[in-house]
Amino acid sequence: DQQVKQNSPSLSVQEGRISILNCDYTNSMFDYFLWYKKYPAEGPTFLISISSIKDKNEDGRFTVFLNKSAKHLSLHIVPSQPGDSAVYFCAATSNDYKLSFGAGTTVTVRA
Amino acid sequence: DTGVSQDPRHKITKRGQNVTFRCDPISEHNRLYWYRQTLGQGPEFLTYFQNEAQLEKSRLLSDRFSAERPKGSFSTLEIQRTEQGDSAMYLCASRDGSSRSNEQFFGPGTRLTVL
Repeated sequence: DQQVKQNSPSLSVQEGRISILNCDYTNSMFDYFLWYKKYPAEGPTFLISISSIKDKNEDGRFTVFLNKSAKHLSLHIVPSQPGDSAVYFCAATSNDYKLSFGAGTTVTVRA
Repeated sequence: DTGVSQDPRHKITKRGQNVTFRCDPISEHNRLYWYRQTLGQGPEFLTYFQNEAQLEKSRLLSDRFSAERPKGSFSTLEIQRTEQGDSAMYLCASRDGSSRSNEQFFGPGTRLTVL
């Protein structure tokens, strides 16, 4: 069963504009959420995370928002840069062990 | 390089053969994870070690799959009698269990192709 869902398989955005990636989850036991970025032929690289006790976490150009009541989180990238073109995975965990991943969103930043 | 390393990076095998993959985690990371990723999907959890103890196995890990971490350092994942459905990217990750962050650090993966 897919407990983490990323319903948009792809996103195209112009350089300098905002990229917004969305993620929904069904398991109310999840208490920590992460975003990973993946380039072809490489493993996922950690980007940013948020605990369930917070509703926002910001790190440079990246901000993650968590809406627990809606079981929804989003990743904002501002401004988008060509190097941001990659696949982005949303992941969640409970009790601090395995990660459950969404299917990913492919972001393409146009010059 | 002190990141997670995996060997080999690519493996092509014939159906029915056995294959073994190796993962070297970040030094002193006591937790090690194996995931499998197929095309168009996110990584799926396979199994998890804390030190040398295998604490969790996914239903995805059939009896043809076995993983070990004998000395609590590197880990191996063996697939016996490979099937075409085993073709996937096998990812290893590690983390420091004492860290407050739940971030797992991933290796580059081993891409398995079963002909």
